Amino acid sequence: EAQVTQNPRYLITVTGKKLTVTCSQNMNHEYMSWYRQDPGLGLRQIYYSMNVEVTDKGDVPEGYKVSRKEKRNFPLILESPSPNQTSLYFCASRPWAGGYYTSSTDTQYFGPGTRLTVL
Amino acid sequence: QQPVQSPQAVILREGEDAVINCSSSKALYSVHWYRQKHGEAPVFLMILLKGGEQKGHEKISASFNEKKQQSSLYLTASQLSYSGTYFCGTVGSSNTGKLIFGQGTTLQVKP
Repeated sequence: EAQVTQNPRYLITVTGKKLTVTCSQNMNHEYMSWYRQDPGLGLRQIYYSMNVEVTDKGDVPEGYKVSRKEKRNFPLILESPSPNQTSLYFCASRPWAGGYYTSSTDTQYFGPGTRLTVL
Repeated sequence: QQPVQSPQAVILREGEDAVINCSSSKALYSVHWYRQKHGEAPVFLMILLKGGEQKGHEKISASFNEKKQQSSLYLTASQLSYSGTYFCGTVGSSNTGKLIFGQGTTLQVKP
């Protein structure tokens, strides 16, 4: 079954304690992204990666790090979490052949989400 | 630049129709529509590519007017299962494939 998995699904932590949220996909997709979702603000992109070792900032990258050492994995790292990073986080993946979307079948799949609370 | 969706919320009775609009201030290459149920991940509905095409998915269809930088999602004869938050996502003229989402439109269908 094609899927994107995230762990943990729920996390309560304290300010300053480093944490990692893992993301893995089994569809051999090149392109992966992290989003955060906050009420009234929609989904905002944190970081994205077009392929292994290729990552770039999205719209709200401050306070986050990512790495892409393997095609299937794209972990999100919070080195020193703060309360304003309390949010619902989604990982997503899709095919990418470079350039624009060339097919209307280029579906982006989302993981189930990680609800993070920073006290 | 985040696209703007309207309306922010819609309440319908079963069988009624609704239109959700998505507007961007920048040139668009493609528009993507997703639906999210409460507590779940967004689920892909359709992509509309540059060219002004119209797509359909069951009783949900969409149009894309690239000149006006707008897209509309049409829900006809709505069902209870259509309830949720609808997001449009836009891809502008870049090579990054960066997908920027609107703030969402909450649709509630009542019996």
